[in-house]
Amino acid sequence: SQTIHQWPATLVQPVGSPLSLECTVEGTSNPNLYWYRQAAGRGLQLLFYSVGIGQISSEVPQNLSASRPQDRQFILSSKKLLLSDSGFYLCAWRPTGGPGEQYFGPGTRLTVT
Amino acid sequence: GESVGLHLPTLSVQEGDNSIINCAYSNSASDYFIWYKQESGKGPQFIIDIRSNMDKRQGQRVTVLLNKTVKHLSLQIAATQPGDSAVYFCAENWDGGSQGNLIFGKGTKLSVKP
Repeated sequence: SQTIHQWPATLVQPVGSPLSLECTVEGTSNPNLYWYRQAAGRGLQLLFYSVGIGQISSEVPQNLSASRPQDRQFILSSKKLLLSDSGFYLCAWRPTGGPGEQYFGPGTRLTVT
Repeated sequence: GESVGLHLPTLSVQEGDNSIINCAYSNSASDYFIWYKQESGKGPQFIIDIRSNMDKRQGQRVTVLLNKTVKHLSLQIAATQPGDSAVYFCAENWDGGSQGNLIFGKGTKLSVKP
């Protein structure tokens, strides 16, 4: 069966510090991968998606970036965090092909102080 | 996109009653729709999905209804239980399926009173 992992689970970082969040998927190959951000009490905002190694599409211009160094690894980064980067970050995957369910990870709670 | 306002719409129901959660979607060309359940501090979990060639689909205690004429989606939960308390999101596939990208609705918070 497939599983998706995210770490860390929680993170408190000062403004201006760097960020690296990691997401890995097990039990599947060549998945589509997604990063979402969820502000408190709000819906999900798609940040990045990837259909293959090294292929990243950005949905929202901001100070975040994403990379996919391996088939089942998706990383969200920032060089300098802003207060507005605080939120709940969710990674998701789905098999390639037509429309279908996305499977979400447990999320990372990021607080920028 | 982002929700407008600071608070999610809330639906409060009595345990054992039926719940109906509504969602208006944005793109008349969307061909696939999903309902997710998100408990506090966790990632969303799949509940049920429906394709645009259907009007209704039933699962265990849940039914999704799709009205393409008015771009409306609803989730019905039968005999609501305390464990159903969560935020419910609808999502539509908006890019023709090539990437499987979903656009999420604002979410509705369901509170079940024992």
